[in-house]
Amino acid sequence: DSGVTQTPKHLITATGQRVTLRCSPRSGDLSVYWYQQSLDQGLQFLIHYYNGEERAKGNILERFSAQQFPDLHSELNLSSLELGDSALYFCASSVADLPTEQYFGPGTRLTVT
Amino acid sequence: AQTVTQSQPEMSVQEAETVTLSCTYDTSESNYYLFWYKQPPSRQMILVIRQEAYKQQNATENRFSVNFQKAAKSFSLKISDSQLGDTAMYFCAFMKRDVNAGGTSYGKLTFGQGTILTVHP
Repeated sequence: DSGVTQTPKHLITATGQRVTLRCSPRSGDLSVYWYQQSLDQGLQFLIHYYNGEERAKGNILERFSAQQFPDLHSELNLSSLELGDSALYFCASSVADLPTEQYFGPGTRLTVT
Repeated sequence: AQTVTQSQPEMSVQEAETVTLSCTYDTSESNYYLFWYKQPPSRQMILVIRQEAYKQQNATENRFSVNFQKAAKSFSLKISDSQLGDTAMYFCAFMKRDVNAGGTSYGKLTFGQGTILTVHP
């Protein structure tokens, strides 16, 4: 157990819908990262937050947005869902702003039908 | 942009034997980190080992060790005394040591395609 929690574990929804994935970092960690793992794209970096501020953005679609709250938990919002958004979404956390190790949560499996 | 390549989609090894997983990467950076992550059937991503590019000494963690060849941009993982619990997908990953927040790569892990390792009894 990495200490990073993600909810829900599984999510099944229809195309065009909007969902919110939640992540709580390890105690004391200020950085949160989101990654998407799909069969065709592999593991891809989406976004990084540090202490509430966005630090870096990767290949994140405009339909996706994220934020980190004052209690350091983070949410990833996915809207206008398409079949291709079906994937495993990971959250990871690290202590420092400049990370050397990221600890991953168990992931949220999103299925869009 | 950085790329990470794992040329072995699948590998298998007998229990107690040694196996080496290959990884190559392409970057123009001189300061970076390399990682091996393990993803067992549970799908949890588990950090196996980390290497700083400025360190010449190869990292070791118990039965896991790396062979880091900076000039060749090669970073292989050796698993000694393989155990059934080592069965998993293994990902090689690169992270640029970017001290400037706001860059598109800040804190970004770039992963290879993965190698499925099966340990047979």
